[in-house]
Amino acid sequence: QKEVEQNSGPLSVPEGAIASLNCTYSDRGSQSFFWYRQYSGKSPELIMSIYSNGDKEDGRFTAQLNKASQYVSLLIRDSQPSDSATYLCAVAWGDGNKLVFGAGTILRVKS
Amino acid sequence: EPEVTQTPSHQVTQMGQEVILRCVPISNHLYFYWYRQILGQKVEFLVSFYNNEISEKSEIFDDQFSVERPDGSNFTLKIRSTKLEDSAMYFCAGVSGQEDYGYTFGSGTRLTVV
Repeated sequence: QKEVEQNSGPLSVPEGAIASLNCTYSDRGSQSFFWYRQYSGKSPELIMSIYSNGDKEDGRFTAQLNKASQYVSLLIRDSQPSDSATYLCAVAWGDGNKLVFGAGTILRVKS
Repeated sequence: EPEVTQTPSHQVTQMGQEVILRCVPISNHLYFYWYRQILGQKVEFLVSFYNNEISEKSEIFDDQFSVERPDGSNFTLKIRSTKLEDSAMYFCAGVSGQEDYGYTFGSGTRLTVV
């Protein structure tokens, strides 16, 4: 059984701070990793994809991947109240490259 | 920006009835997926579809479920004889398969079985 684990939170950070979200996965063979944001009652929205060890930056977001430790993280700099949402970590597996999701971390940014 | 379109946005059905959920993927998508999310739970994979056939399905995707791409554009999920526990958000997703791809999700259909 392929597993993706996340701390459910909530993670509370003040506006302007850095939010750090973490994810571990069980299959060493995984190659593709994604972070999605989901607002309540809405569909997942892709924030970042990462495939290689190291950091990948896009605006205020930085994804970090460490395949040896089977660990993926997302940093959100200058957090805004509009960043308050559930952040889903997803890993692509199998012949059909299905996404397996973690349960998500609730982020609350306080103004 | 292109979107994955799902209809209806909300469907209420009586237990035992059949429902068809519809999705229009982005034109350059080659791989298609259905996921569901029961309220307060994880997004769960149901089935993947490529080249007009199922490439992988989960243990959730039993004989009650079927998928079709009837006209080369629309992508449907049929749920026969619905049960109360089928109540969930159902998401269609697609991906192009190109480098640095991302899976694009539709806005979802909220299915309520009463």
